[in-house]
Parts: sequence; structure tokens; C-alpha cells
Amino acid sequence: GAGVSQSPSNKVTEKGKDVELRCDPISGHTALYWYRQRLGQGLEFLIYFQGNSAPDKSGLPSDRFSAERTGESVSTLTIQRTQQEDSAVYLCASSPNWLGQPQHFGDGTRLSIL
Amino acid sequence: GESVGLHLPTLSVQEGDNSIINCAYSNSASDYFIWYKQESGKGPQFIIDIRSNMDKRQGQRVTVLLNKTVKHLSLQIAATQPGDSAVYFCAESLDKLIFGTGTRLQVFP
Repeated sequence: GAGVSQSPSNKVTEKGKDVELRCDPISGHTALYWYRQRLGQGLEFLIYFQGNSAPDKSGLPSDRFSAERTGESVSTLTIQRTQQEDSAVYLCASSPNWLGQPQHFGDGTRLSIL
Repeated sequence: GESVGLHLPTLSVQEGDNSIINCAYSNSASDYFIWYKQESGKGPQFIIDIRSNMDKRQGQRVTVLLNKTVKHLSLQIAATQPGDSAVYFCAESLDKLIFGTGTRLQVFP
């Protein structure tokens, strides 16, 4: 069966540009999560969605970061005016419901800011 | 604040031996714990989970032990194989998953 799909797999862009990262969760999963992983580091929570609403945005690093989800399916993470410190792998995960269940991850988008 | 940490950043084991990866968590109210395996260039892959009302859970070649008294979690891998080489993360959950920084497992012949 299809797992979590993320696109693009790699993105190289110039400092100051906006980028949009996409996540297609496993069908039927109501909970969706975004994480950031810097090289050699653990996963840093950014935001999660329960359905189309985002009860917890506490992990978003700055107001340059935003995310939305539509149709309880696809989610996009947008980074405006990218900075070099935004370079990282951005991982998306989904689970059937919130809490108490394992999250299933995509392979991430590797973002490089020149 | 909440944190999950690992005692050993790198663990080297010989093929066929058993591996034990340890993890300390700080929030005694956490009620759900997960171990993930991450290979290079891939997303984390679910290995096994355990709830706080249990102290041991077994899967295929893997066992997770939970000691709530000392807030310690471990992952045991039996008969370690080269394909087990990866970074292993533990995560604790209360209102959200908090991941540790990971332990790299290296398996040598």
C-alpha cells in the first residue's frame, strides 16, 4: 500500500526565495505532522494537523513558516524569504488519529539554501 | 522541559551479537513510547512501541523494555545483522512526540 509521499525529494534555492513543500499522507489518516531534521540531529517538531485544523503550531521557528492542510489530505509547508539556517530535511508523518499511535514517515524533502 | 536523551551516540557490535540501545526520558507523565530506525536518506521507520502500563514488549528480533521508576527505555536487537545498521531514535509522547538525538548502530562482520 502507499505510504507517506513527500515532494520534491530535493530542493535547492537561493536565499530569500519562498519554497513550498508537499506531503501526501496515508489515506484515511486524520493526523499529520511536520518535523525538521538538521544534519546529524534528531527530529524537531514543527506543527501537527488533526483533520484540517492545526491545534499546535508551537514548533514553527518563525512567522516565515506556515502550513496548511486541505480535504483532510494533502498538506503544504511554506517557508518564505528562506535563510541559510533553514537548510535541513523536512519530514512529514501521518497517523490514524492523534496520540497513542505510531507515526508513519515519508522520506522527507532535503532543502538546501544557497 | 521535556527531553529525551540517549546514553550512547554510537554503538558498534559484531554481526550475530545482541545490541542494546538505551534512552532516558524526563517526563514521568509520558504514557507512550516508540522506537524508530532511520537509514541514510530515508525517513524514520517504526520498529516497536510500548505503553506506560507495560514494562516489556517483544517483536520480531526486537524487545523494548520500559522502567518507569528510573525513566529509562531500551531497545534490544537479537542476532544483530548488517541490515540493522542505522540511527535509532526513541520518542516519548504525552501531548506530542518528543524525539531524542539518536544512536548510531554500526554492525561489523
